Amino acid sequence: DAGVIQSPRHEVTEMGQEVTLRCKPISGHNSLFWYRQTMMRGLELLIYFNNNVPIDDSGMPEDRFSAKMPNASFSTLKIQPSEPRDSAVYFCASRSTGDGYTFGSGTRLTVV
Amino acid sequence: GQQVMQIPQYQHVQEGEDFTTYCNSSTTLSNIQWYKQRPGGHPVFLIQLVKSGEVKKQKRLTFQFGEAKKNSSLHITATQTTDVGTYFCAGAAAGGGADGLTFGKGTHLIIQP
Repeated sequence: DAGVIQSPRHEVTEMGQEVTLRCKPISGHNSLFWYRQTMMRGLELLIYFNNNVPIDDSGMPEDRFSAKMPNASFSTLKIQPSEPRDSAVYFCASRSTGDGYTFGSGTRLTVV
Repeated sequence: GQQVMQIPQYQHVQEGEDFTTYCNSSTTLSNIQWYKQRPGGHPVFLIQLVKSGEVKKQKRLTFQFGEAKKNSSLHITATQTTDVGTYFCAGAAAGGGADGLTFGKGTHLIIQP
């Protein structure tokens, strides 16, 4: 099992550009979560999906953020346009109902 | 909304000393989970507690869930350098049917050899 796979590992982009983060959950896991981690705010839940359906997106900071899960093996988090305050590590996690989360290695985003 | 507080934020110990981190939720939890994150790494699931007053052990680690299901603790006996990292608690609100966990800010464990 390769675990939760995120890409890219690092992303440096200029303010105003579109950024797309990708996640492949563990096969068979029915829930997928996107978290953002910063020193100031810690780990924040942005959005999560159950069986590919978005359940709670109340943590998405602004309309500039959007997430999709077109199928059980792929999800994206898009920021358009990006701003310097979006700089953070973005984690994707998946799980089966009742189990703990398995996190990916994260994408470190820097917006300059 | 639900808040999960953890103390202390940082803990320095000598290798071999014990370590405890405490977690408190503003609301009753259906369950609480604990994660460890090494510097530069990602959170790794340690354990889940579900029952009121539950105590679980993993080698030198002891996890407790409070009777009211609003607080929890993690105790490490005789710390080793491999225990270095940040320990997070994370809870799901009871009765809401939500799966998304609210994480505490974590306790950074620093061990001096």
